[in-house]
Order: sequence, then C-alpha cells, then structure tokens
Amino acid sequence: ILNVEQSPQSLHVQEGDSTNFTCSFPSSNFYALHWYRWETAKSPEALFVMTLNGDEKKKGRISATLNTKEGYSYLYIKGSQPEDSATYLCARTGNQFYFGTGTSLTVIP
Amino acid sequence: DGGITQSPKYLFRKEGQNVTLSCEQNLNHDAMYWYRQDPGQGLRLIYYSQIVNDFQKGDIAEGYSVSREKKESFPLTVTSAQKNPTAFYLCASNTDIEYNEQFFGPGTRLTVL
Repeated sequence: ILNVEQSPQSLHVQEGDSTNFTCSFPSSNFYALHWYRWETAKSPEALFVMTLNGDEKKKGRISATLNTKEGYSYLYIKGSQPEDSATYLCARTGNQFYFGTGTSLTVIP
Repeated sequence: DGGITQSPKYLFRKEGQNVTLSCEQNLNHDAMYWYRQDPGQGLRLIYYSQIVNDFQKGDIAEGYSVSREKKESFPLTVTSAQKNPTAFYLCASNTDIEYNEQFFGPGTRLTVL
C-alpha cells in the first residue's frame, strides 16, 4: 500500500482569503499526480493531472504545482468563494490509483 | 449524456447476504474501478479492470468479487465474507489507467443490518 498524505485535514477560511493544501507521496515509480474536488452530494471531479517535475496547472482561481523529486504537490485557491467549499483529494498513480484522505475546505461568507 | 451510473443510491441488506452493486458507463472507457470510502479515510481501491474479461485486486479486495463481461459494465458483489461491508462505494472509469483523469459515479451507500 502506497501512502499518500494530505494536510491539513480540514480548513475554514473567510471569503476572499487565499489558501493552499499539501499532498505528499512517495516519489519512486511515479506516473502522475491527480487533484479532484468532491462537493457534498456530488461525484468527485477532476481538477488537474500532472506528470512532470515542475508542472504547474491553473484553472480559474485554482492552481497546482508538482515536485516529483521530493514527492509533494500544492493546490492553491486564490480569493476563496463559498462555492469552493468541498473536499479536495489528491491521488498518485503508479500501477494503480492511491488516494489521500482529502482536505475539507469550508469558505465562510 | 455520457457518464457513469451507479444503482441503487442506498442499499440495505441483512448480515450474511451477498449483494451486487451496479456500475455502468457510456464513456467508452477501457478502465473501470471500484473504491470504498469509510469515515475519516481516503478512497481505497477494491478492484480495477483495464480491459474486458480481466481485472486486478486492489488493496482491500478480500470479501469482494467483480466481473467485466462487457466494456460498459463492472458490477461489484459484496459477499458475506466481507467482515465490515457498511460503507460508501464509488465506481470510476478512465481511458488510461495512469495518466488520465477518472470519472466517478454518484456512489452507493450500503448498510448491512
């Protein structure tokens, strides 16, 4: 079993604040790092898939970076909005998907 | 609309009974997956299949069985051998097991009484 860790476990921020989370993973046999957003009562949806060391991806106010050598990825949300409230999951793929436990974000209006 | 469907949304069964969870996709994806989620834990892989008539065990396959007779369908049977079957079950699919994003179904919450 491959250990993917996410921190913090939960986070409460005020609307308009910027925030970031961390995903740590073993760097050996690395293929790709995925980020998903999972809103309550919905299915998880993909945000980013990153494969190369130094990759940076951006979608609107959300961006992510990848460091495969040291085994971590950061997810950033700029100017958090209440609709950003969700659980953010990361997953590392080698020969299968290994998910972290997620970071639960609550944005307070 | 293309997507993944899981049925039923809620399922109740008596202890000792086998139960089969349905997962169907019309995305023409080769790979399909079953995950289990328990409170405070991440998604844990039960089984996955990269191609019809072939499947692989994930980290927590004991007490579960699957079949992949059609590309569109990947049913999961929770057998009486599964010691703690009450959980939320998610099905997913993608085109390339490692590099492409997964698409998830809405999930089935199984409660064993």
